[in-house]
Amino acid sequence: DVKVTQSSRYLVKRTGEKVFLECVQDMDHENMFWYRQDPGLGLRLIYFSYDVKMKEKGDIPEGYSVSREKKERFSLILESASTNQTSMYLCASSTLTGTGSYNEQFFGPGTRLTVL
Amino acid sequence: QKEVEQNSGPLSVPEGAIASLNCTYSDRGSQSFFWYRQYSGKSPELIMFIYSNGDKEDGRFTAQLNKASQYVSLLIRDSQPSDSATYLCAVNTGFQKLVFGTGTRLLVSP
Repeated sequence: DVKVTQSSRYLVKRTGEKVFLECVQDMDHENMFWYRQDPGLGLRLIYFSYDVKMKEKGDIPEGYSVSREKKERFSLILESASTNQTSMYLCASSTLTGTGSYNEQFFGPGTRLTVL
Repeated sequence: QKEVEQNSGPLSVPEGAIASLNCTYSDRGSQSFFWYRQYSGKSPELIMFIYSNGDKEDGRFTAQLNKASQYVSLLIRDSQPSDSATYLCAVNTGFQKLVFGTGTRLLVSP
């Protein structure tokens, strides 16, 4: 079974702090994703990566950066946390397919981040 | 315009009934479609996926695609209270990404 783990289930930080969210997958997946989920807004893609050291902006990258130094690990960084970044953060991974027509994403348990 | 639309619900059905969930998508070139179930406070888990070439049945779940009208449906037969959750529709839009709808909340009453 695919396992995607996230470093924390709950996190409380102060405004202005630098925040690191870690995600690790154990299935040798090429693709990794960071989403945030807010009531009424659904899942919104922040960043994704399809290879080590590669990254692509998603729909809402402002205020975030990412790092992928190893294939199994994808980190989300909040450079200077703000209260509007309080949210549920979900990491996902999927395998790379040739045609791109099928790529089931497996999700981690999520990190509920509160910024005070 | 959102690429994937779902009615937020809640959709309320009695136990044992058929629950019908729908999702519309805007990209005609989409080839694969996914239904995820998300319990409150948990992360999404995949329950069904279909390709553009046909419908799929898996136990009590059936996913159907209407390409002409650009919608995907999920039917849950013999609904159980444990099916109460939010159901997310997702569509592959190319290059490894999925676009998710905002989800439909399903409530199954005993």
